[in-house]
Amino acid sequence: DVVMTQTPPSLSVAIGQSVSISCKSSQSLVYSDGKTYLHWLLQSPGRSPKRLIYQVSNLGSGVPDRFSGTGSQKDFTLKISRVEAEDLGVYYCAQTTHFPFTFGSGTKLEIK
Amino acid sequence: EVQLVESGGGLVQPGRSLKLSCAASGFTFSNYYMAWVRQAPKKGLEWVATISTSGSRTYYPDSVKGRFTISRDNAKSSLYLQMNSLKSEDTATYYCARHESGYGDWGQGVMVTVSS
Repeated sequence: DVVMTQTPPSLSVAIGQSVSISCKSSQSLVYSDGKTYLHWLLQSPGRSPKRLIYQVSNLGSGVPDRFSGTGSQKDFTLKISRVEAEDLGVYYCAQTTHFPFTFGSGTKLEIK
Repeated sequence: EVQLVESGGGLVQPGRSLKLSCAASGFTFSNYYMAWVRQAPKKGLEWVATISTSGSRTYYPDSVKGRFTISRDNAKSSLYLQMNSLKSEDTATYYCARHESGYGDWGQGVMVTVSS
């Protein structure tokens, strides 16, 4: 199985600051079609998960452009510029390249 | 607006069965792969099953293979998860999700508690 390692497990940031979350996979996430199926999700407190970014760097519908994703092969990063109060919650990376599909263990973002 | 509404959860004894349903609306259901994802209390997300558009192909992790069955009724825009031989470790909130560019849309989730 592909192991997704997220760091840090938690972080606390002030409103307006920027933050980055890392996600590393145990094997390349490039599929045979050349695409990389690495996605980022946010689960706000008491809510269902919501997709932020798909295929490494594509912004989901309605997601503010303060969110951005970069990376390739096995190493990926989610960046949040100018953090807002509504950004608090748990961020997950997820891969749908290899079966079984797997998720990272999550990064909890708190607002100072 | 895409809507996914799960139902069928509840308290069930170990070894028994339960069937979850997910009613979809706001998109052409038959055009999308669909999935079930679960989250044990205070834990992370775990993929449970995926089904192709026609239902001819299904995929599971080893943790549920042989016990869970995902199915769909495109005429009713509905997704199902038949869960047999339930174990305490299957206790979780189960989410229905649309496989559109990752997990593009999620339901509100339904709680399943396996306990005697």
